[in-house]
Amino acid sequence: DAGVIQSPRHEVTEMGQEVTLRCKPISGHDYLFWYRQTMMRGLELLIYFNNNVPIDDSGMPEDRFSAKMPNASFSTLKIQPSEPRDSAVYFCASRPGVSYNEQFFGPGTRLTVL
Amino acid sequence: DQQVKQNSPSLSVQEGRISILNCDYTNSMFDYFLWYKKYPAEGPTFLISISSIKDKNEDGRFTVFLNKSAKHLSLHIVPSQPGDSAVYFCAASSGNQFYFGTGTSLTVIP
Repeated sequence: DAGVIQSPRHEVTEMGQEVTLRCKPISGHDYLFWYRQTMMRGLELLIYFNNNVPIDDSGMPEDRFSAKMPNASFSTLKIQPSEPRDSAVYFCASRPGVSYNEQFFGPGTRLTVL
Repeated sequence: DQQVKQNSPSLSVQEGRISILNCDYTNSMFDYFLWYKKYPAEGPTFLISISSIKDKNEDGRFTVFLNKSAKHLSLHIVPSQPGDSAVYFCAASSGNQFYFGTGTSLTVIP
């Protein structure tokens, strides 16, 4: 398996623009997580899905952030409009099932909002 | 508020010596703890974990110790190797909620 795939790997955009980050989880994994990494707060959980259904989005910073999982093999995280403080590395991770604690992370998307 | 804290942003150790990375948590409901290793431009990869019913778990050169009364865990790497140079994240979970620390950058000096 290729592991968790994220695209793009790098994104540079201007303030106010819409940004869409993409993730393909490992096939057969029931859980998908979106994280944001910053120097100050480390890895923060934004939202997670179970069988394509959003379960907990309490970590989403504000209404500018939204996430979808239209099917088992694809998820998006959208920021609209983007702001400079959104600059961070965004990771997607998947996990096989509830009895499995380990998460498998993608390589991340480094977002820079100018 | 940070529920998992790694108070040492960086650590340097000589090759062959022991590396000790520390982590503190605040929520006594956490029932599983993990360590992840991260190289630059890559995602974190799972290293070792421990359940709250144990106080020690060992895997080769890596050992994790859990002190529930102090709400503290540590990762010991012995002997340390240059390839261990990376950022190490501590994580704690309760159900599907995972909380990560800010990471400790380990440099192993040859």
